[in-house]
This record gives sequence, C-alpha cells and structure tokens, in this order.
Amino acid sequence: SAVISQKPSRDICQRGTSLTIQCQVDSQVTMMFWYRQQPGQSLTLIATANQGSEATYESGFVIDKFPISRPNLTFSTLTVSNMSPEDSSIYLCSGTTDTQYFGPGTRLTVL
Amino acid sequence: AQSVSQHNHHVILSEAASLELGCNYSYGGTVNLFWYVQYPGQHLQLLLKYFSGDPLVKGIKGFEAEFIKSKFSFNLRKPSVQWSDTAEYFCAVNAWGGTSYGKLTFGQGTILTVHP
Repeated sequence: SAVISQKPSRDICQRGTSLTIQCQVDSQVTMMFWYRQQPGQSLTLIATANQGSEATYESGFVIDKFPISRPNLTFSTLTVSNMSPEDSSIYLCSGTTDTQYFGPGTRLTVL
Repeated sequence: AQSVSQHNHHVILSEAASLELGCNYSYGGTVNLFWYVQYPGQHLQLLLKYFSGDPLVKGIKGFEAEFIKSKFSFNLRKPSVQWSDTAEYFCAVNAWGGTSYGKLTFGQGTILTVHP
C-alpha cells in the first residue's frame, strides 16, 4: 500500500491568483494522477503526472491552467492558475502500486 | 472511452437492513473494478477491488461485490448495514492497456444514510 499526503489541506484564495498543491507518497509508485471533485459531484481525472516529462491531460484540462510537475517517483505538484470561483473544488492526488491510493485532498475555495 | 453509472444517488436504510448498490460500466475490453468509500470528513478509501479470478470479491467491513461480465456490472452488497456505514460510495473502473492504463473513471457516487 501507499500513504499519500497533500499540502495544503485547504485554502481560500482570491480570484486571479494561483495555488500550488503538493503531493507526497511514502513509497515509490508507478503512476501518479490528479483528480478534481467539484461540489456535489464525482471525481474527474485532470491529468497523469509523468516523471521527468510533461503531464498528460484529459479532455477539458490544459497545461496553462493546471501545470503539473513530477520530479521523482514520490512527489508531484499541481498548480491551479489564474483562479476563478469555478475552480472551487477538492483536488486529489493519487498514486498507483497494485491499486490506486488517494491523498486526503485539498479543499480550495476561490472568492 | 469508458463510463460508469451508479443507479442510486441516495439510499436510506435502517440498521440491519441489507444493502445492494448498483454499478454498471461501459467498456468492451478488460477492466479492473473498484469500490471506494468516503466517510464524512475523511478521504477516499479502497473498499474492495476486482482484477481477475473469482468474480465474487470480499472487502473490508463485511462488504462484497460481484462482477458479472455479461451484464457489465459490479454491484456492492452487505447483508446487514450499521450506522457507521453512513458514507458516500463510489464505483470506479480502470481499463487495461493503451492510453487508459491506470486511469480511473468514477461513477457519480451513492450517498448511503443508515438510521440507527
């Protein structure tokens, strides 16, 4: 199994600013992903964080808005750029070994 | 692309009642199937998973699920629920191979409320 931590756990941000969320796994994982859970909705995959290369984004998500880094096998960051109230969500990091484990999430509120 | 459908948005039961939450997916190839649970104020936890073999899988806390390939279903069951089972339950699918490998597609979630 893998234990995943995220920082910050929550934040309240102003429109137009950016927030970087950190994800740390306690062991090496094969793949890392970032998901979004909007209020009252299910989880939607944003992108696959690739080690040492550009992330692979799902339809509807772009690098300029959600830049992602993964410098090694246990760490990744997601930046939510130029935020608007529509970006208010829970952002979750996950890592895959034999199965997929999730971090506690970052609850973002944009005013 | 795969999709996942959960039949019920909100299920309300009394303690000791039996539970079955429906989950259907659409994907023609080989899949891995999961049920995750999110208790109030807590993060997503794996309840059980199916990769291959016996289509009846047992998970934590007395939950089980049955994979019926012909029906593209992976329904979650528990014979007797407890108040502590109050949570939101998510069915998820991971398609094998290609660009979808490792990615989970989630259902809409089912909120389970158990009254004591």
